[in-house]
Amino acid sequence: EAGVAQSPRYKIIEKRQSVAFWCNPISGHATLYWYQQILGQGPKLLIQFQNNGVVDDSQLPKDRFSAERLKGVDSTLKIQPAKLEDSAVYLCASSPPPGTGLNEQYFGPGTRLTVT
Amino acid sequence: AQSVTQPDIHITVSEGASLELRCNYSYGATPYLFWYVQSPGQGLQLLLKYFSGDTLVQGIKGFEAEFKRSQSSFNLRKPSVHWSDAAEYFCAVAGYYNTDKLIFGTGTRLQVFP
Repeated sequence: EAGVAQSPRYKIIEKRQSVAFWCNPISGHATLYWYQQILGQGPKLLIQFQNNGVVDDSQLPKDRFSAERLKGVDSTLKIQPAKLEDSAVYLCASSPPPGTGLNEQYFGPGTRLTVT
Repeated sequence: AQSVTQPDIHITVSEGASLELRCNYSYGATPYLFWYVQSPGQGLQLLLKYFSGDTLVQGIKGFEAEFKRSQSSFNLRKPSVHWSDAAEYFCAVAGYYNTDKLIFGTGTRLQVFP
């Protein structure tokens, strides 16, 4: 089966610009996650969707970050305006519906964002 | 609050040597624990997980981990390391109120010399 797809793989922008990342989860996976991984740190959950509803966005900086999952499949994460400290790898993950594979998250390759 | 500590930032071993990567957690109940591996330019791959039962867990690629409640540890081991094991390894614990939320440690980078 195809894995989690993300694009673009790399992005360089200047501070105060906006940027968007796209994620296509594994087919049939109901839950989708966006993580931020800053260099030298472990991934940190930004937002979790169950189908097209938000389950957890407690660590999402809502003044500049937004995410949506239209139709419960693909998802987009946006940053507007970007700051230098947003430089990181943004990972998308998906997991099967509840009861079919507890906590097994499948990760995409990530988008490396550099803000200059 | 839940947290994970990986005390070793960087470990270097010779190919064929044994390996142990340390992980300590902070959690208020029986935790769900995970080890992930991240190769350069790739996403994270699940090596193994512990939910309950046998405290010695077998994973993929010849890895195993042992849950020790008394030491709040979940160390990852491999008896003989291969050059292809060079990567970054992350220990994670599931959140207390949201068990789908993974809380990761800072990772251990493994370098393997021939």
